[in-house]
Amino acid sequence: QKEVEQDPGPLSVPEGAIVSLNCTYSNSAFQYFMWYRQYSRKGPELLMYTYSSGNKEDGRFTAQVDKSSKYISLFIRDSQPSDSATYLCAMSAYDGGATNKLIFGTGTLLAVQP
Amino acid sequence: ETGVTQSPTHLIKTRGQQVTLRCSSQSGHNTVSWYQQALGQGPQFIFQYYREEENGRGNFPPRFSGLQFPNYSSELNVNALELDDSALYLCASSTRHGQETQYFGPGTRLLVL
Repeated sequence: QKEVEQDPGPLSVPEGAIVSLNCTYSNSAFQYFMWYRQYSRKGPELLMYTYSSGNKEDGRFTAQVDKSSKYISLFIRDSQPSDSATYLCAMSAYDGGATNKLIFGTGTLLAVQP
Repeated sequence: ETGVTQSPTHLIKTRGQQVTLRCSSQSGHNTVSWYQQALGQGPQFIFQYYREEENGRGNFPPRFSGLQFPNYSSELNVNALELDDSALYLCASSTRHGQETQYFGPGTRLLVL
Protein backbone atom coordinates (compact mmCIF):
# COMPACT_ATOMS: atom_id res chain seq x y z
CA GLN A 1 0.00 0.00 0.00
CA LYS A 2 1.31 3.44 -0.92
CA GLU A 3 1.75 5.98 1.86
CA VAL A 4 -0.30 8.52 -0.12
CA GLU A 5 -3.21 7.60 -2.40
CA GLN A 6 -4.66 9.97 -4.97
CA ASP A 7 -7.19 9.30 -7.72
CA PRO A 8 -5.36 9.96 -11.01
CA GLY A 9 -8.54 11.05 -12.80
CA PRO A 10 -8.89 12.52 -15.34
CA LEU A 11 -11.51 14.83 -13.88
CA SER A 12 -13.43 16.97 -16.36
CA VAL A 13 -15.68 19.82 -15.19
CA PRO A 14 -17.40 22.78 -16.85
CA GLU A 15 -16.09 26.28 -16.30
CA GLY A 16 -17.42 27.81 -13.08
CA ALA A 17 -17.86 24.46 -11.28
CA ILE A 18 -16.56 23.72 -7.81
CA VAL A 19 -13.77 21.16 -7.98
CA SER A 20 -12.94 18.77 -5.14
CA LEU A 21 -9.59 16.98 -5.15
CA ASN A 22 -8.68 14.46 -2.46
CA CYS A 23 -5.89 12.36 -1.02
CA THR A 24 -5.76 9.73 1.68
CA TYR A 25 -2.68 8.68 3.59
CA SER A 26 -1.58 5.97 5.99
CA ASN A 27 1.29 7.54 7.97
CA SER A 28 -0.09 9.17 11.11
CA ALA A 29 3.23 11.02 11.58
CA PHE A 30 2.50 13.35 8.65
CA GLN A 31 2.12 16.92 9.90
CA TYR A 32 2.59 19.11 6.82
CA PHE A 33 0.20 18.87 3.89
CA MET A 34 0.81 20.59 0.58
CA TRP A 35 -0.93 21.00 -2.73
CA TYR A 36 1.07 21.59 -5.88
CA ARG A 37 -0.18 22.41 -9.38
CA GLN A 38 1.79 21.08 -12.33
CA TYR A 39 1.17 22.19 -15.88
CA SER A 40 2.21 19.88 -18.68
CA ARG A 41 6.00 19.67 -19.02
CA LYS A 42 6.58 22.09 -16.13
CA GLY A 43 7.74 21.78 -12.55
CA PRO A 44 5.24 21.64 -9.65
CA GLU A 45 4.08 25.01 -8.31
CA LEU A 46 3.26 25.29 -4.61
CA LEU A 47 -0.38 26.33 -4.16
CA MET A 48 -0.96 25.91 -0.45
CA TYR A 49 0.40 24.23 2.62
CA THR A 50 -1.28 23.42 5.91
CA TYR A 51 0.18 22.39 9.22
CA SER A 52 -1.79 19.75 11.13
CA SER A 53 -5.60 19.74 10.90
CA GLY A 54 -7.96 22.48 9.82
CA ASN A 55 -8.87 24.65 6.86
CA LYS A 56 -6.91 27.23 4.94
CA GLU A 57 -8.29 29.55 2.30
CA ASP A 58 -6.46 31.51 -0.40
CA GLY A 59 -8.61 33.20 -3.00
CA ARG A 60 -10.54 30.55 -4.93
CA PHE A 61 -8.64 27.71 -3.21
CA THR A 62 -9.47 26.03 0.10
CA ALA A 63 -7.37 23.26 1.65
CA GLN A 64 -8.81 20.99 4.32
CA VAL A 65 -7.00 18.46 6.49
CA ASP A 66 -8.75 15.83 8.61
CA LYS A 67 -6.02 13.97 10.48
CA SER A 68 -8.51 11.73 12.29
CA SER A 69 -9.62 10.32 8.92
CA LYS A 70 -6.19 10.70 7.26
CA TYR A 71 -7.87 12.62 4.46
CA ILE A 72 -7.01 15.91 2.80
CA SER A 73 -8.92 17.93 0.21
CA LEU A 74 -8.42 20.87 -2.10
CA PHE A 75 -11.46 22.81 -3.29
CA ILE A 76 -11.36 25.15 -6.26
CA ARG A 77 -14.27 27.58 -6.58
CA ASP A 78 -15.35 29.17 -9.86
CA SER A 79 -12.98 26.94 -11.82
CA GLN A 80 -11.36 28.41 -14.93
CA PRO A 81 -9.85 26.77 -18.03
CA SER A 82 -6.47 28.04 -16.78
CA ASP A 83 -6.89 25.73 -13.77
CA SER A 84 -6.49 22.74 -16.11
CA ALA A 85 -3.41 20.95 -14.83
CA THR A 86 -2.28 18.02 -12.69
CA TYR A 87 -2.79 18.59 -8.97
CA LEU A 88 -0.37 16.82 -6.65
CA CYS A 89 -0.86 16.39 -2.95
CA ALA A 90 2.28 16.09 -0.85
CA MET A 91 2.88 15.53 2.81
CA SER A 92 5.70 15.08 5.27
CA ALA A 93 6.50 14.11 8.82
CA TYR A 94 8.84 17.11 9.10
CA ASP A 95 9.35 18.11 12.71
CA GLY A 96 11.67 21.07 12.15
CA GLY A 97 14.65 18.75 12.22
CA ALA A 98 17.15 17.85 9.55
CA THR A 99 15.33 16.89 6.38
CA ASN A 100 11.85 17.53 5.04
CA LYS A 101 11.22 14.65 2.63
CA LEU A 102 7.99 15.23 0.72
CA ILE A 103 5.83 12.20 -0.11
CA PHE A 104 3.65 12.82 -3.15
CA GLY A 105 0.48 11.33 -4.49
CA THR A 106 0.35 10.33 -8.14
CA GLY A 107 -1.52 13.51 -9.09
CA THR A 108 -5.04 14.15 -10.41
CA LEU A 109 -5.38 15.46 -13.95
CA LEU A 110 -8.04 18.20 -14.07
CA ALA A 111 -9.60 19.58 -17.25
CA VAL A 112 -11.90 22.61 -17.00
CA GLN A 113 -14.01 22.90 -20.14
CA PRO A 114 -14.92 26.41 -21.37
CA GLU B 1 13.94 37.50 -6.68
CA THR B 2 15.17 34.71 -8.98
CA GLY B 3 13.33 31.40 -8.98
CA VAL B 4 14.79 27.90 -9.18
CA THR B 5 16.47 27.19 -12.50
CA GLN B 6 17.64 23.89 -13.97
CA SER B 7 19.76 22.89 -16.92
CA PRO B 8 19.61 21.37 -19.41
CA THR B 9 15.88 21.24 -20.14
CA HIS B 10 16.10 18.03 -22.13
CA LEU B 11 18.72 15.32 -22.46
CA ILE B 12 19.01 12.05 -24.38
CA LYS B 13 21.53 9.44 -23.27
CA THR B 14 22.17 5.78 -23.94
CA ARG B 15 22.21 2.99 -21.40
CA GLY B 16 25.47 2.80 -19.43
CA GLN B 17 26.36 6.47 -19.89
CA GLN B 18 26.71 9.05 -17.15
CA VAL B 19 24.76 12.32 -16.81
CA THR B 20 25.08 15.52 -14.78
CA LEU B 21 22.09 17.77 -14.12
CA ARG B 22 22.35 21.24 -12.62
CA CYS B 23 20.19 23.36 -10.34
CA SER B 24 20.42 26.93 -9.10
CA SER B 25 18.40 27.54 -5.97
CA GLN B 26 16.06 30.44 -5.41
CA SER B 27 17.66 33.56 -4.01
CA GLY B 28 18.02 33.28 -0.22
CA HIS B 29 17.59 29.49 -0.16
CA ASN B 30 20.39 27.27 1.15
CA THR B 31 18.83 23.79 0.96
CA VAL B 32 18.33 21.82 -2.26
CA SER B 33 16.35 18.60 -2.66
CA TRP B 34 16.26 16.43 -5.78
CA TYR B 35 13.24 14.42 -6.92
CA GLN B 36 12.61 11.95 -9.76
CA GLN B 37 9.21 12.03 -11.45
CA ALA B 38 8.42 9.11 -13.75
CA LEU B 39 5.66 9.55 -16.31
CA GLY B 40 2.24 9.52 -14.66
CA GLN B 41 3.69 9.41 -11.16
CA GLY B 42 4.33 11.88 -8.37
CA PRO B 43 7.88 13.02 -7.63
CA GLN B 44 10.04 10.71 -5.50
CA PHE B 45 12.66 12.08 -3.11
CA ILE B 46 16.25 11.25 -4.13
CA PHE B 47 18.31 13.24 -1.61
CA GLN B 48 18.86 16.66 -0.06
CA TYR B 49 21.91 18.88 0.22
CA TYR B 50 22.70 21.46 2.89
CA ARG B 51 26.07 23.04 3.65
CA GLU B 52 27.57 21.08 0.77
CA GLU B 53 26.73 17.74 2.37
CA GLU B 54 24.12 15.10 1.64
CA ASN B 55 21.50 15.35 4.34
CA GLY B 56 18.82 12.71 3.88
CA ARG B 57 18.40 10.16 1.07
CA GLY B 58 15.48 8.30 -0.44
CA ASN B 59 15.40 4.78 -1.82
CA PHE B 60 17.86 5.32 -4.66
CA PRO B 61 21.09 3.38 -5.37
CA PRO B 62 24.58 4.87 -4.87
CA ARG B 63 24.95 5.50 -8.61
CA PHE B 64 22.78 8.56 -7.89
CA SER B 65 25.07 11.13 -6.30
CA GLY B 66 25.19 14.86 -5.90
CA LEU B 67 27.10 17.95 -4.98
CA GLN B 68 26.29 21.33 -3.52
CA PHE B 69 28.50 24.35 -4.08
CA PRO B 70 29.23 27.34 -1.79
CA ASN B 71 26.69 29.43 -3.74
CA TYR B 72 24.06 26.74 -2.87
CA SER B 73 23.70 25.54 -6.45
CA SER B 74 23.68 21.78 -6.86
CA GLU B 75 24.38 18.94 -9.27
CA LEU B 76 22.80 15.52 -9.62
CA ASN B 77 25.00 12.84 -11.16
CA VAL B 78 23.73 9.49 -12.36
CA ASN B 79 26.20 6.79 -13.41
CA ALA B 80 25.59 3.64 -15.43
CA LEU B 81 22.26 4.88 -16.76
CA GLU B 82 19.41 2.39 -17.04
CA LEU B 83 16.27 2.61 -19.16
CA ASP B 84 14.18 3.11 -15.99
CA ASP B 85 16.12 6.29 -15.21
CA SER B 86 14.09 8.02 -17.94
CA ALA B 87 12.10 10.64 -16.02
CA LEU B 88 11.70 14.31 -15.18
CA TYR B 89 14.33 15.31 -12.60
CA LEU B 90 13.25 18.13 -10.35
CA CYS B 91 15.14 20.15 -7.83
CA ALA B 92 13.46 22.08 -5.06
CA SER B 93 14.97 24.77 -2.88
CA SER B 94 14.08 26.05 0.55
CA THR B 95 15.60 27.67 3.58
CA ARG B 96 16.97 25.33 6.22
CA HIS B 97 14.31 26.19 8.76
CA GLY B 98 11.53 26.72 6.25
CA GLN B 99 11.52 23.37 4.55
CA GLU B 100 7.73 23.12 4.76
CA THR B 101 7.70 25.31 1.67
CA GLN B 102 9.83 23.88 -1.12
CA TYR B 103 9.87 25.58 -4.49
CA PHE B 104 10.51 23.50 -7.58
CA GLY B 105 12.37 24.27 -10.76
CA PRO B 106 11.06 23.41 -14.24
CA GLY B 107 12.93 20.10 -14.32
CA THR B 108 15.24 18.29 -16.69
CA ARG B 109 13.62 15.65 -18.86
CA LEU B 110 16.02 12.71 -19.30
CA LEU B 111 15.46 10.00 -21.87
CA VAL B 112 17.66 6.91 -21.73
CA LEU B 113 17.72 4.78 -24.88
